[in-house]
Amino acid sequence: NAGVTQTPKFRILKIGQSMTLQCAQDMNHNYMYWYRQDPGMGLKLIYYSVGAGITDKGEVPNGYNVSRSTTEDFPLRLELAAPSQTSVYFCASSYSAAGGQETQYFGPGTRLLVL
Amino acid sequence: ILNVEQSPQSLHVQEGDSTNFTCSFPSSNFYALHWYRWETAKSPEALFVMTLNGDEKKKGRISATLNTKEGYSYLYIKGSQPEDSATYLCAFQGAAGNKLTFGGGTRVLVKP
Repeated sequence: NAGVTQTPKFRILKIGQSMTLQCAQDMNHNYMYWYRQDPGMGLKLIYYSVGAGITDKGEVPNGYNVSRSTTEDFPLRLELAAPSQTSVYFCASSYSAAGGQETQYFGPGTRLLVL
Repeated sequence: ILNVEQSPQSLHVQEGDSTNFTCSFPSSNFYALHWYRWETAKSPEALFVMTLNGDEKKKGRISATLNTKEGYSYLYIKGSQPEDSATYLCAFQGAAGNKLTFGGGTRVLVKP
């Protein structure tokens, strides 16, 4: 199993440009998450999904959009990049059954610089 | 917004010394407390999932305790080694669902 994969690893964007961060998992996990990690800070949840076709906002969703058309893929879309979106983005997945304490498995991260 | 705090933010430890640090979280609606280890340039990896008050977990030289009534967990590193250098994250899981709220992390640097 490849686990959780993310592409690209690094990207430089100009202000106002758009891009999609890709995330895929091959563990048949139903839950998927997008976090951002800013210097000196922990992980902030952007969006999450409990299954294909279902997404919900996390703590810091503004400026981002997601979709979940398949169990495996959970892309994150930035429509109009702003310098405040300079960060490292992590995708994660977990398997949730009723009453479970699910460990999240993280991808390698995408480093984004908006200039 | 849930408040999950970790202290200290960073600490330097001499090789061979033991150390510990704290994660505090809401004492209500508790479901689980997760600990992750995050090495520089890598992704976070799960260490422990703790669910019951009084839980103790151990993995090699790293152990953790849990007090859900007062809302804190300690993580201990015994006989620190340079390879223990990492950021240690705790994450609170409430009873309502599966979202994790992460603390800011404790960055540990073990000096040879």
